[in-house]
Amino acid sequence: KQEVTQIPAALSVPEGENLVLNCSFTDSAIYNLQWFRQDPGKGLTSLLLIQSSQREQTSGRLNASLDKSSGRSTLYIAASQPGDSATYLCALTGGGNKLTFGTGTQLKVEL
Amino acid sequence: KAGVTQTPRYLIKTRGQQVTLSCSPISGHRSVSWYQQTPGQGLQFLFEYFSETQRNKGNFPGRFSGRQFSNSRSEMNVSTLELGDSALYLCASSFRTGVNNEQFFGPGTRLTVL
Repeated sequence: KQEVTQIPAALSVPEGENLVLNCSFTDSAIYNLQWFRQDPGKGLTSLLLIQSSQREQTSGRLNASLDKSSGRSTLYIAASQPGDSATYLCALTGGGNKLTFGTGTQLKVEL
Repeated sequence: KAGVTQTPRYLIKTRGQQVTLSCSPISGHRSVSWYQQTPGQGLQFLFEYFSETQRNKGNFPGRFSGRQFSNSRSEMNVSTLELGDSALYLCASSFRTGVNNEQFFGPGTRLTVL
């Protein structure tokens, strides 16, 4: 059974800092990995999708990498802003559209 | 292009009742998946529908059921509600099923069971 863990569970940083969120998974037989953000009480917003044949994806200040052999993905946020405060979730599929979600990292960016 | 819409946004029910939630996917998307989110269990997969057929099912009791219509809209039904069914129910749509599909989520339906 696939287990997905995100470390740290919570993170507080000053505005402008670069930061890295981690996602670890136990079964490397995955097809793709998707990063989401969730604001309190809201749905999920897709940030980046890394397909199985890719090693990384970039969108604006966000960069996500995937290393299937080591069972790890990282989300890098450059020059963090208060608007980045949210819970970040990684999710992966082993085929089909069933997503297995990580435990989430709650990020707070302070002024 | 409109995003994924879910109705209603909030529901309050009592134990033993049943409830139906609705999800309209992004135009052109044919796959709809449902998830339950609770503070204790996080996000858990309920089921996926593609072209009116259930493609995959999570580990939930038979009280949880769903269906998909020919226009790709989907409904989820929970019968004989229990207190533990209180959760945020999210649906996600994707253009197709299979691999390498980006999924887009709706705002969710907050269900409270009293």
